[in-house]
Amino acid sequence: GAVVSQHPSWVICKSGTSVKIECRSLDFQATTMFWYRQFPKQSLMLMATSNEGSKATYEQGVEKDKFLINHASLTLSTLTVTSAHPEDSSFYICSARAGAPVDTQYFGPGTRLTVL
Amino acid sequence: AQKITQTQPGMFVQEKEAVTLDCTYDTSDQSYGLFWYKQPSSGEMIFLIYQGSYDEQNATEGRYSLNFQKARKSANLVISASQLGDSAMYFCAMGTSGTYKYIFGTGTRLKVLA
Repeated sequence: GAVVSQHPSWVICKSGTSVKIECRSLDFQATTMFWYRQFPKQSLMLMATSNEGSKATYEQGVEKDKFLINHASLTLSTLTVTSAHPEDSSFYICSARAGAPVDTQYFGPGTRLTVL
Repeated sequence: AQKITQTQPGMFVQEKEAVTLDCTYDTSDQSYGLFWYKQPSSGEMIFLIYQGSYDEQNATEGRYSLNFQKARKSANLVISASQLGDSAMYFCAMGTSGTYKYIFGTGTRLKVLA
């Protein structure tokens, strides 16, 4: 149990375009989801906490207008990178909090974004 | 401030041997959780094991066990009988009750040798 999917697994886009990444909890409902960013050979950096039905809470230094988060249902959160630039290229990972089998965060497989 | 420290950037272990990955933490909270995740080259974060701050017994999950020493604020991961498939990046994380946000250590890259 506690499976999280992410789509797309990778995307290449031109500078200036917007990219939407979906995160779904497949077999459980998640009131709270998280979005992380990971640079090569580095740890995960929390970008924002997404709560169903309310506005996301962004970590310090993360531009909320740049990274739009929508958590419209208990199984879906989306991250939209608006007007993407090469410096936005990164590995984006979402997670969803599940109460079982263990009350922990379960992660999606990640999305590799490359902005040309 | 909360902090997770993993001092071993890389480790080698011979197949079938046991290996310990170090993790120390710092927090002023009384209630917290400690987690270990495995990240293979594919990038997916795989949950391995959890230890609650009030748990008196060390957590175990198959070949994984967590050596929890609360007074020392350490939560080391022990992998027994290492397998080639264990080669990956391992992250220690801490979460506090209420926010459910995690902070992650910098990770340890484990290479299992045949």
